[in-house]
Amino acid sequence: GENVEQHPSTLSVQEGDSAVIKCTYSDSASNYFPWYKQELGKRPQLIIDIRSNVGEKKDQRIAVTLNKTAKHFSLHITETQPEDSAVYFCAANGFYNTDKLIFGTGTRLQVFP
Amino acid sequence: DVKVTQSSRYLVKRTGEKVFLECVQDMDHENMFWYRQDPGLGLRLIYFSYDVKMKEKGDIPEGYSVSREKKERFSLILESASTNQTSMYLCASRQGERGYGYTFGSGTRLTVV
Repeated sequence: GENVEQHPSTLSVQEGDSAVIKCTYSDSASNYFPWYKQELGKRPQLIIDIRSNVGEKKDQRIAVTLNKTAKHFSLHITETQPEDSAVYFCAANGFYNTDKLIFGTGTRLQVFP
Repeated sequence: DVKVTQSSRYLVKRTGEKVFLECVQDMDHENMFWYRQDPGLGLRLIYFSYDVKMKEKGDIPEGYSVSREKKERFSLILESASTNQTSMYLCASRQGERGYGYTFGSGTRLTVV
């Protein structure tokens, strides 16, 4: 069935270091991969997304890479800051129904000053 | 900015009660979704809707139903609440075109006692 695996479940880094979160999807027909950030007590917010026709996308300190052959994609945060601390979710659109998103289980990122 | 509004932030209900969770969006989006969020399980899709009076089951529809009588409103119904339905419920909406991310509501934390 459709599945998105996300690792690690928790990640602690020192301020200024980089953080990488990895996701693997099961269906090769998926073509849209968003990332959401959820701060404590708040709603998930879209921070970056990538479509299957590109391999990498950057937005300031965050970037997402996609390897279609291996069916995995990653979120990279450089020069981490304490305000980056949150839970991050990856997602992929469904194969049988591309309107719905299948989410990973989340990564709790803690950035220590 | 798209607004997705969930009527209640916190709810406490008794086992066996019928529970209504309401979600309203103000941007004329065709697609609306209900997810539940549980620690370690990420976001799991309960039901979604393409348009008024249309609905599709998600991955965990058992014990739930939905109603979409107007385009802007999507209701989640727990026919007979049980303790295992204690969770955070998130509503989301999206434009009809595929390949775009969701906008989430703030969530309703439901506790069934």
